[in-house]
Amino acid sequence: EPEVTQTPSHQVTQMGQEVILRCVPISNHLYFYWYRQILGQKVEFLVSFYNNEISEKSEIFDDQFSVERPDGSNFTLKIRSTKLEDSAMYFCASTPQGLTQETQYFGPGTRLLVL
Amino acid sequence: DAKTTQPNSMESNEEEPVHLPCNHSTISGTDYIHWYRQLPSQGPEYVIHGLTSNVNNRMASLAIAEDRKSSTLILHRATLRDAAVYYCILRDGASGGSYIPTFGRGTSLIVHP
Repeated sequence: EPEVTQTPSHQVTQMGQEVILRCVPISNHLYFYWYRQILGQKVEFLVSFYNNEISEKSEIFDDQFSVERPDGSNFTLKIRSTKLEDSAMYFCASTPQGLTQETQYFGPGTRLLVL
Repeated sequence: DAKTTQPNSMESNEEEPVHLPCNHSTISGTDYIHWYRQLPSQGPEYVIHGLTSNVNNRMASLAIAEDRKSSTLILHRATLRDAAVYYCILRDGASGGSYIPTFGRGTSLIVHP
């Protein structure tokens, strides 16, 4: 069965550094998403992306964050200047057409630790 | 999205059925009921969804009350691999935009060998 993949699985970085988290959504899917989960807390929506544009974003997704689909397969989340509070699991997800009834497929996540 | 209420945790023995309840008393007529689960250190995983009728798939069954104010996720024979946090999420089928599930605290299912 097709799956969403994410790299790296773990990333350690210094505060203030830029990080790029990578995702390969399922190939025929059109909607892509990023979520984060701080340790012990809820899964939180960050941003959705469709047709090379941000579709929706949450309050968390401020100017430090950006997303890009640099080619036909990758979907990236960039954090420009990491803060300690950015330490979390980051999950990428995709859906075929973004419809309410559709299954959202999640990747295994990238664990980001900011020191 | 309408609010859901789930117990914080439940326990079960392996090989026994598990009934995970979800209350959604303010559900609207166009809200779909979705269930996801999150195994330890993994991303959320779709389990099942429904609108009005009971639903079955290879993972579980979803029983929806006649008034739709509650639903129950049924795992017919729990295994150790089913130990996870289970999320009941509503999404309005009438609204536009992409579907973005709002995850609450969910129910942490503990399965005993």
